[in-house]
Amino acid sequence: GAVVSQHPSWVICKSGTSVKIECRSLDFQATTMFWYRQFPKQSLMLMATSNEGSKATYEQGVEKDKFLINHASLTLSTLTVTSAHPEDSSFYICSATGHAQAFFGQGTRLTVV
Amino acid sequence: EDQVTQSPEALRLQEGESSSLNCSYTVSGLRGLFWYRQDPGKGPEFLFTLYSAGEEKEKERLKATLTKKESFLHITAPKPEDSATYLCAVRYGQNFVFGPGTRLSVLP
Repeated sequence: GAVVSQHPSWVICKSGTSVKIECRSLDFQATTMFWYRQFPKQSLMLMATSNEGSKATYEQGVEKDKFLINHASLTLSTLTVTSAHPEDSSFYICSATGHAQAFFGQGTRLTVV
Repeated sequence: EDQVTQSPEALRLQEGESSSLNCSYTVSGLRGLFWYRQDPGKGPEFLFTLYSAGEEKEKERLKATLTKKESFLHITAPKPEDSATYLCAVRYGQNFVFGPGTRLSVLP
């Protein structure tokens, strides 16, 4: 089946630094990718919808200058958390639509210290 | 307001005790209802897609059904390894909306 690869799976960074998370669709072209954030014991919260070649659409309350999304190709989208703060620590998950369903990456656990 | 709800929030079963999880939705223009399993610290794993009322899908001990307003995930004779959070999601337009999930614990 279709596979979405997310990297890194776990990252620890210092406050004030930036972290980039990659999401790749390995065997299909994903015109649309989604980025989610998940807090412990809660469901996925959609942060933004990313369409290849155009600007991402951010959900209300998500700072577009803090969470930079780039979708430069049909197989790669990146999420950059800029000037990270401890409150940005969370589990970030990407998904890509293909074959009429959404496939998810393995998730990235971000810890900001 | 379009939304997806799941019940119960948490469910504890003894091994072999069958039960059902519910996913209710109020979106219009449904393009598919999806069930996922999520283990702690991992991304959701796809289980089923249902497209129309009356449709049923089965996989091992799991069976998913769909009506016009809700879906059920039936778990028959569950085993401890079935313990996970089960998420449903609804697709309408370009949107995927997730329910809050049901945390299932199956005790040996």
